[in-house]
Amino acid sequence: EAGVTQFPSHSVIEKGQTVTLRCDPISGHDNLYWYRRVMGKEIKFLLHFVKESKQDESGMPNNRFLAERTGGTYSTLKVQPAELEDSGVYFCASSPQGYYGYTFGSGTRLTVV
Amino acid sequence: AQSVTQPDIHITVSEGASLELRCNYSYGATPYLFWYVQSPGQGLQLLLKYFSGDTLVQGIKGFEAEFKRSQSSFNLRKPSVHWSDAAEYFCAVLNYGGSQGNLIFGKGTKLSVKP
Repeated sequence: EAGVTQFPSHSVIEKGQTVTLRCDPISGHDNLYWYRRVMGKEIKFLLHFVKESKQDESGMPNNRFLAERTGGTYSTLKVQPAELEDSGVYFCASSPQGYYGYTFGSGTRLTVV
Repeated sequence: AQSVTQPDIHITVSEGASLELRCNYSYGATPYLFWYVQSPGQGLQLLLKYFSGDTLVQGIKGFEAEFKRSQSSFNLRKPSVHWSDAAEYFCAVLNYGGSQGNLIFGKGTKLSVKP
């Protein structure tokens, strides 16, 4: 089975620009999570979708971040406008309902200059 | 609040030597614990997990971990390290205060392997 796919793998943008990250979970996985790792820090939870509904967005840093999950399939995370502190690696993970073994994607490395 | 501590930021071992990566957690009840590995250019791969039962858990790639409630620890071990084990290792605990599946990670331990 295909794994969790994220793209782009790398993105370099200027401060003030907009970037959209995409995550394609494993087919049939209801749960989709976004995490972020800022350099030198822990991987931190951003938000959780169950199908197309946001279950928990307590980790979203501020309202410059907008996540969507279209039809319960792929998800996008938009940062608008990007700031320098948004630089880091953004991970997506998915899991079936009721199962605590998450499959992570390779991440998107975002650099804001 | 729950937390995970990985005391070692960077460890270097010789190929063929044994390995132990430390992880301490903070949680009052029995936690759900995980170890993930991230090789260069790759995503996070699940090595093993502990939910309940036998406190010695076997994982992939020859790794094992032991849950010790008295020490609030879940250390990862491997008897003989291979050069391909060079990677960053993350310990994580399920966040019971969050939605289903929210993980709390430690800062990671980077493993280097000397030939």
